[in-house]
Amino acid sequence: DIQMTQSPSSLSASVGDRVTITCRASQTISSYLNWYQQKPGKAPKLLIYAAYKLQSGVPSRFSGSGSGRDFTLIINTLQPEDFATYYCQQSHSSPRTFGGGTKVEIK
Amino acid sequence: EVQLVESGGGLVQPGGSLRLSCAASGFTFSDYDMHWVRQTPDEGLEWVSAIGTAGDTYYLDSVKGRFTISRENPQSSLSLQMNSLRAEDTAVYYCARRLESYGHDAFDVWGPGTVVTVSS
Repeated sequence: DIQMTQSPSSLSASVGDRVTITCRASQTISSYLNWYQQKPGKAPKLLIYAAYKLQSGVPSRFSGSGSGRDFTLIINTLQPEDFATYYCQQSHSSPRTFGGGTKVEIK
Repeated sequence: EVQLVESGGGLVQPGGSLRLSCAASGFTFSDYDMHWVRQTPDEGLEWVSAIGTAGDTYYLDSVKGRFTISRENPQSSLSLQMNSLRAEDTAVYYCARRLESYGHDAFDVWGPGTVVTVSS
């Protein structure tokens, strides 16, 4: 199975900050990488698929990049509603696997 | 509104059985592959099972032979029959719709989840 490693596991940031979250796959996955946002008690929400494609309805302050093994999620101008946990997930191989999550907390 | 709603979770003893259901609405259910994903505080998010539009099924190795996924397209319903349950199956179980776009896929619609607790 492909292992997905996210860093950091948590971070503190302020409203208006630019936040960067990284995800590394245990083997090359081309651009088969998705990002999700999850708030407490809620289901994950798809933000970005195919490494950089913004899901419909997701604000443009979210962006994704990367290919191969290393990927990045950037949140520009952090908003109050962005405080949540973010997960990467590979869609290259079965079983689909997720990263351990990055919790974005208020500084 | 596109929506998935799970039901059927609860407390069950080790070795017991439980059947989860997922009711879909707002989209043509038969057009989509459907999945179950579970989440625990320790293991995080873990894909469990999938069923294709043609009824082909797929399972996580640790649930093969114990879980069975099925769908009823006329009722827009997805199910997961879970037998021989173990403590490590304790989790929030989500049903999710598979988005497919130019060879890439993701889970674009999720239900709110149903809690399964396996304990004596």
